[in-house]
Amino acid sequence: GAGVSQTPSNKVTEKGKYVELRCDPISGHTALYWYRQSLGQGPEFLIYFQGTGAADDSGLPNDRFFAVRPEGSVSTLKIQRTERGDSAVYLCASSREGRAGELFFGEGSRLTVL
Amino acid sequence: DAKTTQPPSMDCAEGRAANLPCNHSTISGNEYVYWYRQIHSQGPQYIIHGLKNNETNEMASLIITEDRKSSTLILPHATLRDTAVYYCIVRVQASGTYKYIFGTGTRLKVLA
Repeated sequence: GAGVSQTPSNKVTEKGKYVELRCDPISGHTALYWYRQSLGQGPEFLIYFQGTGAADDSGLPNDRFFAVRPEGSVSTLKIQRTERGDSAVYLCASSREGRAGELFFGEGSRLTVL
Repeated sequence: DAKTTQPPSMDCAEGRAANLPCNHSTISGNEYVYWYRQIHSQGPQYIIHGLKNNETNEMASLIITEDRKSSTLILPHATLRDTAVYYCIVRVQASGTYKYIFGTGTRLKVLA
């Protein structure tokens, strides 16, 4: 399809393990966002890419979280030494460019840390 | 921190208009108001956005007060499929970057 694609849709891991979550944005969209959503809460901003660079990573909770977008398209969110509190749905969104653009969200990756 | 406040929940009868309020009293002159909704287990879906003029599309209408400190999303004829969490968002602009800050939203339940 032509929408934002996120994989895996579900990931169960053990505390302390490393996890990668992938986002494939809509073709041609230069802006890409990662959000985290806990149960009953609104999406929480993590990081925003404009092209290949992270324009704003102020929402990353600590240095265990890192995201890359090496070719300005696909992005990977990486979580090291996972903790139970990292359990959430991780949402990715993309848009054409910053000016009054509409965000298109993927269906999210549900991460469960046991 | 979110720049918007919304009531946590609302009910609406099917076929009636649903009016969802939002306060954004600290909004700046170049910040847009966006509305998204999220149906259970899905990603948020764009509804509408505006700067200062009222806007209408096939899904909804957006009424922004003249002082821009509040807005109302109107679903003219609510259906059961409109049951969702509705988020009012101010898009913050800083140093050429744009950040969409979600609050906790309004859980709208459309009743048969």
